[in-house]
Amino acid sequence: DIQMTQSPSTLSASVGDRVTITCRASQTISTWLAWYQQKPGKAPKLLIYDASSLESGVPSRFSGRGSGTEFTLTISSLQPDDFATYYCQQYNSYWTFGQGTKVEIK
Amino acid sequence: EVQLVESGGGLVQPGGSLRLSCAASGFTFSSYWMYWVRQAPGKGLVWVSHIYSDGSSTRYADSVKGRFTISRDIAKNTLYLQMNSLRVEDTAVYYCARGQTSNYNYYYTDVWGKGTTVTVS
Repeated sequence: DIQMTQSPSTLSASVGDRVTITCRASQTISTWLAWYQQKPGKAPKLLIYDASSLESGVPSRFSGRGSGTEFTLTISSLQPDDFATYYCQQYNSYWTFGQGTKVEIK
Repeated sequence: EVQLVESGGGLVQPGGSLRLSCAASGFTFSSYWMYWVRQAPGKGLVWVSHIYSDGSSTRYADSVKGRFTISRDIAKNTLYLQMNSLRVEDTAVYYCARGQTSNYNYYYTDVWGKGTTVTVS
């Protein structure tokens, strides 16, 4: 099974900050990686697919990079609506999610 | 509007059964792979099962294999998850989600329902 490891687990930041979350795969997954945002009590929302493609309707301050085993999600200027938990997910072989990164207000 | 609405969750004793439903609307249900994903209280997301667009193939996580069955009714635009021999560790919010792909080989999900809660106690 492919394991996904996100870092950090929690991130404290302020509005306007540039934020980067890292996701590492236990084996190569090419670019078959997605990023989701989840707010408490809500369903996950797709942000990025195929490692770097922005889902329609998602603000351009979100961006994804990477291939192989290392990936990043960057929020260029953190907005109040962005405080949430973020998950990466590989879909190279079945599905595995990372453990999540909670972005909280500093 | 593309929409997925889950139902069927509830409180059940260990060893019991439940059938979850997911009603799809706003898109051609028969054209999409469909997924079940669960989230235990305070925990992360875990893939449970998925089914091909035509229902010809299904896949399950090892933790539910032999106990859960995914199916779909194209006429009713509905996805199902039959859950038998339930365990305390199956307690979670269960989400259905629509599969999406850029190349017909690798699938992520672009639409999720709001979830239905299953409590095994």
